[in-house]
Amino acid sequence: DVQMTQSPSNLAASPGESVSINCKASKSISKYLAWYQQKPGKANKLLIYSGSTLQSGTPSRFSGSGSGTDFTLTIRNLEPEDFGLYYCQQHNEYPWTFGGGTKLELK
Amino acid sequence: EVQLVESGGGLVQPGRSMKLSCAASGFTFNNYDMAWVCQAPKKGLEWVATISYDGSSTYYRDSVKGRFTISRDNAKSTLYLQMDSLRSEDTATYYCARVAAISLFDYWGQGVMVTVSS
Repeated sequence: DVQMTQSPSNLAASPGESVSINCKASKSISKYLAWYQQKPGKANKLLIYSGSTLQSGTPSRFSGSGSGTDFTLTIRNLEPEDFGLYYCQQHNEYPWTFGGGTKLELK
Repeated sequence: EVQLVESGGGLVQPGRSMKLSCAASGFTFNNYDMAWVCQAPKKGLEWVATISYDGSSTYYRDSVKGRFTISRDNAKSTLYLQMDSLRSEDTATYYCARVAAISLFDYWGQGVMVTVSS
């Protein structure tokens, strides 16, 4: 199985700041990395797929980069609604696997 | 609007069975593969099983193979997960998710909690 390692596990920031979350795969997954946002009481939301393609409806302040084994989610000019949990997922091969999650908290 | 609504969770004893359902609306159900993803308390997400759009193919994570069965009724736009021989480590919130063309989950339900305990 492809192991996905996310860092950091926790991140504190203020509205208006920029943050980056990293995701490392145990072997090459080409470009097939997705990012999801999880918030209490809401359905999980697909933000980015294939490394850098924004899902319809994802604000442009979100961006993704990387290929092979190393990927990054960057959120610029944080908005209050951006605080929550973020997960990466490789969608290159079965079994599809997720990172351990990054909790983005308000500083 | 795409909606996925899970039901059927609750408390169950180890070794017993439980069946989850997911009612889908807002899209043509039989055009999409569907999946179950779980999340143990305070843990991350884990893919559980996937079924093809027509039900002809199914895939499972190793830990549930032989115990869980994913199925669907396209006439009712409903996805199912039959869980047998349940273990305490199956305790989790189970999410129903629509699978987009390139193996990712583009819509999720709110989840249903399954607690396996005596």
